[in-house]
Amino acid sequence: EPEVTQTPSHQVTQMGQEVILRCVPISNHLYFYWYRQILGQKVEFLVSFYNNEISEKSEIFDDQFSVERPDGSNFTLKIRSTKLEDSAMYFCASSQRGTANEKLFFGSGTQLSVL
Amino acid sequence: LAKTTQPISMDSYEGQEVNITCSHNNIATNDYITWYQQFPSQGPRFIIQGYKTKVTNEVASLFIPADRKSSTLSLPRVSLSDTAVYYCLVGVRGTALIFGKGTTLSVSS
Repeated sequence: EPEVTQTPSHQVTQMGQEVILRCVPISNHLYFYWYRQILGQKVEFLVSFYNNEISEKSEIFDDQFSVERPDGSNFTLKIRSTKLEDSAMYFCASSQRGTANEKLFFGSGTQLSVL
Repeated sequence: LAKTTQPISMDSYEGQEVNITCSHNNIATNDYITWYQQFPSQGPRFIIQGYKTKVTNEVASLFIPADRKSSTLSLPRVSLSDTAVYYCLVGVRGTALIFGKGTTLSVSS
């Protein structure tokens, strides 16, 4: 089965630093997503992205966050000035058509630790 | 978006059948019911989806009564490797899946 690939698997950063989390969605998928999961809590939606634009974003996705598809394969999440509470597992996901009820494919995540 | 209610946790032993029920009283006509599985330190993985009656695949079965106000995920003969969190999702917000707290299934030998 095709996979969503995320790098790095672990990222440690100092508070106030910028981080970029990277994802390679499945090649023929058109919709991309970022989710996060704070330790012991539920998986939270951050943002969806289609055709080089944000489709939807949650209240978590504030001005500190941005997403980009810099080339034909990568999809990135940037956190401009990290805070301690940004420590979480960040999951990238993709889907083929972005239709309601369509299966999402998730990556294995990047564990972000902000010190 | 339909509110879902499922047990916080369940315990089972290897070889048993496990049934996890999810309540979704305000499900909309167009909503499908989807279940995802999440192992520790991994992303959620699609298990099964249905609209009504019964759906079966190589991993699980999904039972949906006629009123669609609940659904039951059935895992036959669980093993230790089925220990995971199982999420019931009903409907989407735009194109985004919104996860609840899920059911933590612990399988013991």
